[in-house]
Amino acid sequence: QQQVKQSPQSLIVQKGGISIINCAYENTAFDYFPWYQQFPGKGPALLIAIRPDVSEKKEGRFTISFNKSAKQFSLHIMDSQPGDSATYFCAASIRQTGANNLFFGTGTRLTVIP
Amino acid sequence: GAGVSQSPRYKVAKRGQDVALRCDPISGHVSLFWYQQALGQGPEFLTYFQNEAQLDKSGLPSDRFFAERPEGSVSTLKIQRTQQEDSAVYLCASALTLAYNEQFFGPGTRLTVL
Repeated sequence: QQQVKQSPQSLIVQKGGISIINCAYENTAFDYFPWYQQFPGKGPALLIAIRPDVSEKKEGRFTISFNKSAKQFSLHIMDSQPGDSATYFCAASIRQTGANNLFFGTGTRLTVIP
Repeated sequence: GAGVSQSPRYKVAKRGQDVALRCDPISGHVSLFWYQQALGQGPEFLTYFQNEAQLDKSGLPSDRFFAERPEGSVSTLKIQRTQQEDSAVYLCASALTLAYNEQFFGPGTRLTVL
């Protein structure tokens, strides 16, 4: 059973455009929602993360929007660049369990066309 | 400083062989995680260590999978009698402490079972 559902599976965006990736979860105990970026042959790298007490977090061109009541969160990449072409994973974890193991979505392959 | 390193980067095994995958976490990191990433999927949690203690092994798919971290630093994931369904990338991640959610991932070991 997939704890975190992610869409779309793939996304093609023109350079300078906005990339939007969506995720949904069911477990209301989740209290930490990171986004990871993964390039081929590399491990995932943390991009940006949010906790459920805020509705939005922005770091440079990357913004997470969080809707607690809908149990959804999304990643927006503004002014998308060819170098952003990678696979993006949303994830969630429960801090108070002590393990903090991440539950990942299935990934979105982003291609930014020059 | 050095990140998480894993070895070997690639491993080809014949069905039925035993394999051992090594993870060197970031120095001083207390928490260590193993994940399995099938082709085109997100990473899935296997097991978790806090120092040398294996606190959660609920994600290990079968009793053929065994992980250890005897001195609280380097960890080894062992798979006995490998099967074709074990083919995947095995990712190791470390985190500073339980209070810090950011996990730093290694590049992974790509295991192919023929």
